[in-house]
Amino acid sequence: DAMVIQNPRYQVTQFGKPVTLSCSQTLNHNVMYWYQQKSSQAPKLLFHYYDKDFNNEADTPDNFQSRRPNTSFCFLDIRSPGLGDAAMYLCATSQGLAGVLFFGPGTRLTVL
Amino acid sequence: GQQLNQSPQSMFIQEGEDVSMNCTSSSIFNTWLWYKQDPGEGPVLLIALYKAGELTSNGRLTAQFGITRKDSFLNISASIPSDVGIYFCAGQTSGTYKYIFGTGTRLKVLA
Repeated sequence: DAMVIQNPRYQVTQFGKPVTLSCSQTLNHNVMYWYQQKSSQAPKLLFHYYDKDFNNEADTPDNFQSRRPNTSFCFLDIRSPGLGDAAMYLCATSQGLAGVLFFGPGTRLTVL
Repeated sequence: GQQLNQSPQSMFIQEGEDVSMNCTSSSIFNTWLWYKQDPGEGPVLLIALYKAGELTSNGRLTAQFGITRKDSFLNISASIPSDVGIYFCAGQTSGTYKYIFGTGTRLKVLA
């Protein structure tokens, strides 16, 4: 089945220790997104790629970076995680304008 | 930034009852999506709406795209225990790939 895959499902890191979350898709969609979701809150868009074009949200901290080496993969790098970065990180894909969002299962990040 | 107001924030209902929730915005949207999210999982798409006034069903779920393009509602008929979860609306504005999410409605069903 076509899907969005996120690894790992659970990630524990230490305060200030860089961490990378990964996302892959078999849908061949041209847009990939990273959302941050804190407990009981709405998903908050961090950035998205249309093909190789990177689009950062104005309020996304510089601590968060992303890479999309090819259509199938997208990475979220947190350079120096703080306690406030503990959250669920959701990867999603869509195809074209008005394409629906398909989400992966998420990665729950814990910062010690 | 843009914000979608979703109401109610939470609901406790009896099994078998109908449920209604809605999303409103000060902005116009071209696409509305409705999702259900279970604890620890990613949101799962329920219904997609593309035209003002559109009414779409998916089993016991019905959603409508408001005429003004600034709102949408979701109805669940004859609720069952597995309907428990958080429901989110999401809207996309014209010419962008960005989806903005509503604040969510937490649904609890009492058997």
